[in-house]
Amino acid sequence: ETGVTQTPRHLVMGMTNKKSLKCEQHLGHNAMYWYKQSAKKPLELMFVYSLEERVENNSVPSRFSPECPNSSHLFLHLHTLQPEDSALYLCASSQGSGGEYQETQYFGPGTRLLVL
Amino acid sequence: DAKTTQPPSMDCAEGRAANLPCNHSTISGNEYVYWYRQIHSQGPQYIIHGLKNNETNEMASLIITEDRKSSTLILPHATLRDTAVYYCIVRAMNYGGATNKLIFGTGTLLAVQP
Repeated sequence: ETGVTQTPRHLVMGMTNKKSLKCEQHLGHNAMYWYKQSAKKPLELMFVYSLEERVENNSVPSRFSPECPNSSHLFLHLHTLQPEDSALYLCASSQGSGGEYQETQYFGPGTRLLVL
Repeated sequence: DAKTTQPPSMDCAEGRAANLPCNHSTISGNEYVYWYRQIHSQGPQYIIHGLKNNETNEMASLIITEDRKSSTLILPHATLRDTAVYYCIVRAMNYGGATNKLIFGTGTLLAVQP
């Protein structure tokens, strides 16, 4: 139990569906992250939010739309996805205000997404 | 961030020490060495990090060479639950500014054998 929860844990969706992934952190952190992990590939950073502002967007297609309404919650809205978007989507959080301990990231269990 | 090199896989007998090496020959003076692990189908878990000195916590020990070009993560008494992919990452600290990102490689798959 890392203090970062993600729902749902598994999701199957068609290419025309709209769905959202939710992440919640109970650690009092200021920064939150979305990562994508495809089969046999390293984790790829998608988005970074610091104090509810998006500070990084790693050339992610617009069919992925993040939202950070407050420092404890992070969403990833999905629409018109492709089968190659099937992956494990991981959320992480960190204190975010700088310093070696404050930058340590804590990960949630992930959402396993399958796009048909 | 500097690139790291790790062996793709290692075996270790249960109860023995697991020593996982990592090369980071282009590490800069302000870059820390971080270790994470990922058990199958779970999110990565922070293990330990260090700059120059050796570090120890309840999970593992981190030995960094004097020239900082390589390091070794030591799990003193490996159990079956330690079977996972172990990632060695180097990253600079960004004080008082934006967050820093972790760049994951392919890691080392440690298989602890009964």
